[in-house]
Amino acid sequence: DADVTQTPRNRITKTGKRIMLECSQTKGHDRMYWYRQDPGLGLRLIYYSFDVKDINKGEISDGYSVSRQAQAKFSLSLESAIPNQTALYFCATSIGEGKGDEKLFFGSGTQLSVL
Amino acid sequence: SQKIEQNSEALNIQEGKTATLTCNYTNYSPAYLQWYRQDPGRGPVFLLLIRENEKEKRKERLKVTFDTTLKQSLFHITASQPADSATYLCARRQGGKLIFGQGTELSVKP
Repeated sequence: DADVTQTPRNRITKTGKRIMLECSQTKGHDRMYWYRQDPGLGLRLIYYSFDVKDINKGEISDGYSVSRQAQAKFSLSLESAIPNQTALYFCATSIGEGKGDEKLFFGSGTQLSVL
Repeated sequence: SQKIEQNSEALNIQEGKTATLTCNYTNYSPAYLQWYRQDPGRGPVFLLLIRENEKEKRKERLKVTFDTTLKQSLFHITASQPADSATYLCARRQGGKLIFGQGTELSVKP
């Protein structure tokens, strides 16, 4: 089983709809992240959370919200989806700074299309 | 804000040659740089981390350098193989989180 699991893998929705992307991890990591990837723009950080009670905005948080329901779960919501939110979304985890391993572990991604 | 830039043009090389990818950053040097590999439709996978006080780091056929004067990291794959074809991303630390470059697509032809 994957250590970082994203659901759904693919989603097609219509403009104005509310949608939630979910991420769960079995790695026991404190830190979780949501990125989106667009062709030519690379990975851009949407939101991140360093522990259950911590939520921080990233580079491009407008139009998105998140919830950290537990150490293992971090969900991303689009309250009213718009076409330019069509992208590949990745969840990632890390153990935390200063704990000897700062690398990220990514899920397999969710391809979201907003029509 | 800190920026990190990679050559967006795809790199095409012949099997057996050395591939060299470039990552440039702005402003102050980060405590470390990371390199990831991403295959189509998949999440990035961590390859190497190089710290500010390290000039060079190696892992099998991979070598990464960190030049704080040039504000640049170079990523080398020696004896490249078609299986090395992928997009390679560099990332820098910023406030406890990672900021990524746009990635460079590498294609190794047999």
